[in-house]
Amino acid sequence: SQQGEEDPQALSIQEGENATMNCSYKTSINNLQWYRQNSGRGLVHLILIRSNEREKHSGRLRVTLDTSKKSSSLLITASRAADTASYFCATPRSGGSYIPTFGRGTSLIVHP
Amino acid sequence: SQTIHQWPATLVQPVGSPLSLECTVEGTSNPNLYWYRQAAGRGLQLLFYSVGIGQISSEVPQNLSASRPQDRQFILSSKKLLLSDSGFYLCAWSGRTSGRAGSYNEQFFGPGTRLTVL
Repeated sequence: SQQGEEDPQALSIQEGENATMNCSYKTSINNLQWYRQNSGRGLVHLILIRSNEREKHSGRLRVTLDTSKKSSSLLITASRAADTASYFCATPRSGGSYIPTFGRGTSLIVHP
Repeated sequence: SQTIHQWPATLVQPVGSPLSLECTVEGTSNPNLYWYRQAAGRGLQLLFYSVGIGQISSEVPQNLSASRPQDRQFILSSKKLLLSDSGFYLCAWSGRTSGRAGSYNEQFFGPGTRLTVL
């Protein structure tokens, strides 16, 4: 089954720095999503990027998608302590499937 | 607006005891429903999904089962819990169709149930 894998597994930065997380996947996709999970909580959808898009912005978030390399990146600019969370990428299980599969996530810690 | 509820929030159960976790969705109809399990520091493992009342697809044929007795109700059950069933259980829903790009395949998660089997 399709599965994205995030890299790095853990990231520790200082407040104000940028945080970059990457996601690699194996087969062709029609969209890729990023989610955030605060400790002990459910996941929250951040952004969806379609296969015909190369870059998308939402506030301090910037997502890129390179279908030729089968990879995506999530950039959080000017990070804040409140950004501390785990971040997951999700890809459809197969082309057109409505069921996403999730990677293991990147654990981000932003130190104040 | 749509909301999703899960209960209980936490649960401690002895090995061999039964389990029933409930998930309900409000503010939408005909949702796709999902049960996930998340082990500590791990990703999400899809357990079951449902596209309609009484329609359940199983991803992990173990000692867990799921039922959808009503359109917006999804129940996760077990007759006898194992130690390995401990984890964080998440229910999620997604819409069937949408004209809005942001909701295509987007999933909305409940707050989760922390299950500890002793």
